Amino acid sequence: DGGITQSPKYLFRKEGQNVTLSCEQNLNHDAMYWYRQDPGQGLRLIYYSQIVNDFQKGDIAEGYSVSREKKESFPLTVTSAQKNPTAFYLCASSISSGRAKVYGELFFGEGSRLTVL
Amino acid sequence: AQSVTQLDSHVSVSEGTPVLLRCNYSSSYSPSLFWYVQHPNKGLQLLLKYTSAATLVKGINGFEAEFKKSETSFHLTKPSAHMSDAAEYFCVRRTTGKLIFGQGTTLQVKP
Repeated sequence: DGGITQSPKYLFRKEGQNVTLSCEQNLNHDAMYWYRQDPGQGLRLIYYSQIVNDFQKGDIAEGYSVSREKKESFPLTVTSAQKNPTAFYLCASSISSGRAKVYGELFFGEGSRLTVL
Repeated sequence: AQSVTQLDSHVSVSEGTPVLLRCNYSSSYSPSLFWYVQHPNKGLQLLLKYTSAATLVKGINGFEAEFKKSETSFHLTKPSAHMSDAAEYFCVRRTTGKLIFGQGTTLQVKP
């Protein structure tokens, strides 16, 4: 079955440590996204990538980094510079060409919950 | 700035009664709009989408939404709530390259 796989589902981190969240998709989508979700704040865009080897900052990129070396993979690193990293992180993907660029929906993974101890 | 406003942060209904979750958008042109559902500790699942075709859009699990340009609204409805409908619902609009999310509405379904 095609879909998006995020791992790990739960992750605990000590302050000062970097952690990397994995996101893999087999939908053959060009575009991939990372969102952060906090209670009562909806979803906020961290980074997105429209094509391999290219990515752009979203609304809250500070303290995060990404790479897009393969079409299927878009890992997110939460660095020690992120002051409040405890949150639920969602990865998504979409078609990014033609009509879908304006009207296409995003497909989401199951999320990764990061807790800083 | 383009925005999406979900008018209720929390809606409570009894099982078997109708559901109405309200969403308004700001725009000078017809947007691309979606409703997503999220169960606890899960990802978002697409319920339905409006893409400038029919104004009444039918989705999964008996949900539907009506696009009303004159009211800039895209309210989500279901004739009869089921216990499994209890979840968080997001109204979302798409611009080229990014999505704009509403703040979410928590739907509680009482037995």
